[in-house]
Amino acid sequence: DIQMTQSPSSLSASVGDRVTITCRASQNISNYLNWYQQKPGKAPKLLIYAASSLQSGVPSRFSGSGSVTDFTLTISSLQPEDFATYYCQQSYSTPLYTFGQGTKLDIK
Amino acid sequence: QVQLVQSGAEVKKPGASVKVSCKASGYTFTGYYIHWVRQAPGQGLEWMGWINPNSGGTKSAQKFQGRVTMTRDTSISTAYMELSSLRSDDTAMYYCARFKIVLLPAGPPLYYFDSWGQGTLVTVSS
Repeated sequence: DIQMTQSPSSLSASVGDRVTITCRASQNISNYLNWYQQKPGKAPKLLIYAASSLQSGVPSRFSGSGSVTDFTLTISSLQPEDFATYYCQQSYSTPLYTFGQGTKLDIK
Repeated sequence: QVQLVQSGAEVKKPGASVKVSCKASGYTFTGYYIHWVRQAPGQGLEWMGWINPNSGGTKSAQKFQGRVTMTRDTSISTAYMELSSLRSDDTAMYYCARFKIVLLPAGPPLYYFDSWGQGTLVTVSS
């Protein structure tokens, strides 16, 4: 099975900061990597698919990059509503659509 | 707009079964797989399995094989996930999610969950 490892597990930042979250796959997944945002008590929400494609309606301050095994999610200028937990997910190895363990982003 | 509405919270005793429903609206129900993902309190997301609403075919994670049953009723655009032999560590929020498949001119399709239900909390306690 493909394992997904995110770093850091938690992160404190301030409004306006540029933030980067990393996701590493245990084997080559090409660009089959998705990012989700989850706020407390809510369902996850798709942000990025195929490593770098922005889902419709998602603000352009969110961007994704990477391929093969190493991927990043960047928030260019943090807004108050961005404080949440972020998950990566691989969609290369079907049907096991494994998630990373999550990165909790909170206010410094 | 696409909506997935799940059934309400459940409290079950160990050894019992629970059946969670997921009613779809705003799109053709049989055109998209439905997946089930769960999240234990304070933990991450765990993929459980999927159902093809068109054929009724299913696939589950090995961890849940023999305990999970996924079904659907196309007449009411609803998918169901039943988990049996419940244990305390099955206490979790259970989500259904619509599975988007994007065919590419070359290479495997892209897959992602583009819409989620609101979640159903299942509590297993004696």
